[in-house]
Amino acid sequence: EDKVVQSPLSLVVHEGDTVTLNCSYEVTNFRSLLWYKQEKKAPTFLFMLTSSGIEKKSGRLSSILDKKELFSILNITATQTGDSAVYLCAVDLGDYKLSFGAGTTVTVRA
Amino acid sequence: NAGVTQTPKFRILKIGQSMTLQCTQDMNHNYMYWYRQDPGMGLKLIYYSVGAGITDKGEVPNGYNVSRSTTEDFPLRLELAAPSQTSVYFCASRSRQGGNQPQHFGDGTRLSIL
Repeated sequence: EDKVVQSPLSLVVHEGDTVTLNCSYEVTNFRSLLWYKQEKKAPTFLFMLTSSGIEKKSGRLSSILDKKELFSILNITATQTGDSAVYLCAVDLGDYKLSFGAGTTVTVRA
Repeated sequence: NAGVTQTPKFRILKIGQSMTLQCTQDMNHNYMYWYRQDPGMGLKLIYYSVGAGITDKGEVPNGYNVSRSTTEDFPLRLELAAPSQTSVYFCASRSRQGGNQPQHFGDGTRLSIL
């Protein structure tokens, strides 16, 4: 059975802190790993990772994949209240089907 | 700039009733998906389609049906609503072109079965 496990399930930080979110996976067929941010409604795409060791960056967010150890991390630096959301990790299993983790709820306090 | 549009946004059903959740996309995407999201859980794939006339089951298809008669539309049908189907339902689409394309999601339909 394919598994995608995110940790921690939730965390609370103060503005300006750095956050590291983890995603580990055990799947039969790996095509890529994706990170999404979900606020009130639809998940919005952040990153797609296909190769080990290559960091993807977008502003204060960055992510990296380790295909040998089967995990990815998402970092958020200098957090702001607008970063409060559920962060979802998903693995593309082929046919572009995604298997999602349960998500990490991040709360940033002013 | 519509993207993926889902209707209705909210619905309350009685046990045993049926309904169709609508999903349409205007990006000419071949791939479309239906997910459900329960509290504290990730999204679970219900059904997906790789093109008009082609559908396939995902992880949790029981109690649901789909059809794909056009590229744009991918409705999800609940025939006999059960309390276990109370959830938030998301539709998504993806282009077949290129390898590094993410799925685009609609805003969801919140469904309660009482």
